[in-house]
Amino acid sequence: AQTVTQSQPEMSVQEAETVTLSCTYDTSESDYYLFWYKQPPSRQMILVIRQEAYKQQNATENRFSVNFQKAAKSFSLKISDSQLGDAAMYFCAYEMEYGNKLVFGAGTILRVKS
Amino acid sequence: DGGITQSPKYLFRKEGQNVTLSCEQNLNHDAMYWYRQDPGQGLRLIYYSQIVNDFQKGDIAEGYSVSREKKESFPLTVTSAQKNPTAFYLCASSPRKVPGSEKLFFGSGTQLSVL
Repeated sequence: AQTVTQSQPEMSVQEAETVTLSCTYDTSESDYYLFWYKQPPSRQMILVIRQEAYKQQNATENRFSVNFQKAAKSFSLKISDSQLGDAAMYFCAYEMEYGNKLVFGAGTILRVKS
Repeated sequence: DGGITQSPKYLFRKEGQNVTLSCEQNLNHDAMYWYRQDPGQGLRLIYYSQIVNDFQKGDIAEGYSVSREKKESFPLTVTSAQKNPTAFYLCASSPRKVPGSEKLFFGSGTQLSVL
């Protein structure tokens, strides 16, 4: 079974600085999708960024980018120029191609200091 | 506006009682999901449905039941057999035109507590 591991229960970053959240996953599949979701205090789940495993280029969405290392099964999220609104729980998630469910990690709480 | 509506926002269950959580979507999505969120454990899949009148168990289906009689609706019943029901429940949907490639659209959740 596929598993997703987020080894950092909590992280802190100073406003305007850069922070990286770690995620590793275990799968025997070669084609799959990886996601980072944000859950702010409102508890609404928001998609931050998505990566297709067959693409070597790392996905980028404005201040958010990923470092996807397929061989190492690593999928870290980098947040640049951190803002107070970035404070949230961040979940890494995996879904295999033609799959039918997302597998989530346990989450990382990100605190942003002003 | 299109979206997913979960109700109620807060729900309390007495011992031995069944309760039903509502999830409605007007996005015309084929697939719908129920996730349970506990502190420190992320989201775990309870049930999912990829088409009307069909659904499958997820990883933690024991003590729960669902129905999918309409495309728009996917209610979750927490039965008395679920001994630890206190959690935050999230409903989600997806177009599933190309399975595995689209993001999930989430509702705002229901917090269930035991009295």
